[in-house]
Amino acid sequence: QLQLQESGPGLVKPSETLSLTCTVSGGSTGSLNFYWGWVRQSPGRGLEWIGSIYFTGNTYYNPSLKSRVTMSVDTSENQFSLILSSVTAADTGVYYCARHPEPLYCRLGTCYGWWFDPWGQGTLVTVSS
Amino acid sequence: DIQLTQSPSFLSASVGDRVTITCRASQAISSYLAWYQQRPGKAPKLLIYAASTLQSGVPSRFSGSGSGTEFTLTISSLQPEDFATYYCQQLNSIPWTFGQGTKVEIK
Repeated sequence: QLQLQESGPGLVKPSETLSLTCTVSGGSTGSLNFYWGWVRQSPGRGLEWIGSIYFTGNTYYNPSLKSRVTMSVDTSENQFSLILSSVTAADTGVYYCARHPEPLYCRLGTCYGWWFDPWGQGTLVTVSS
Repeated sequence: DIQLTQSPSFLSASVGDRVTITCRASQAISSYLAWYQQRPGKAPKLLIYAASTLQSGVPSRFSGSGSGTEFTLTISSLQPEDFATYYCQQLNSIPWTFGQGTKVEIK
């Protein structure tokens, strides 16, 4: 059974960098046809897709966060990671990792995806001095 | 970005009730829509994808319908474990976006 587990600091100072890792068990980040994504949730912004990465390193990012986001994948460790730079209080929230199928078609903004499943349990990140 | 508006935002219902939640998209998204259930303190759980396909292991009392801009999630007979918040997600265009949620509470 595929399981995902987020890890990383629960407290980050404003203007610093948030760094999270998702460890996959019961499956492989090197799997064909599946992407690995990050979604965050906060009371003010609801659920927000951050971005997704394939084992080849191909990425799709939310344009609103693209300038601050870097994602990477380590197939030898069966992990993938999120880096979010220059954080502010607005980046406070619960961060989830999840798997989703490779989009059917992705070009010029149109990107036909299917679903996110399973999800990790989530990790709370607070941005505060 | 495609906006998803769920209605109602909150509903109060009894065990055994039939419940319908609507998700409206700001532009046509074909059938690229998923529904999730989230219980307090837990991650979202996939219920339905491609607007109407039931995820494996999800009870058949859950069903989805719609295409284009209007979609519905129906629970045919509400069970105690169904009291939760439900979200729709469009996967037609990046950024993939979510509705604001519908909280289903016990009457």
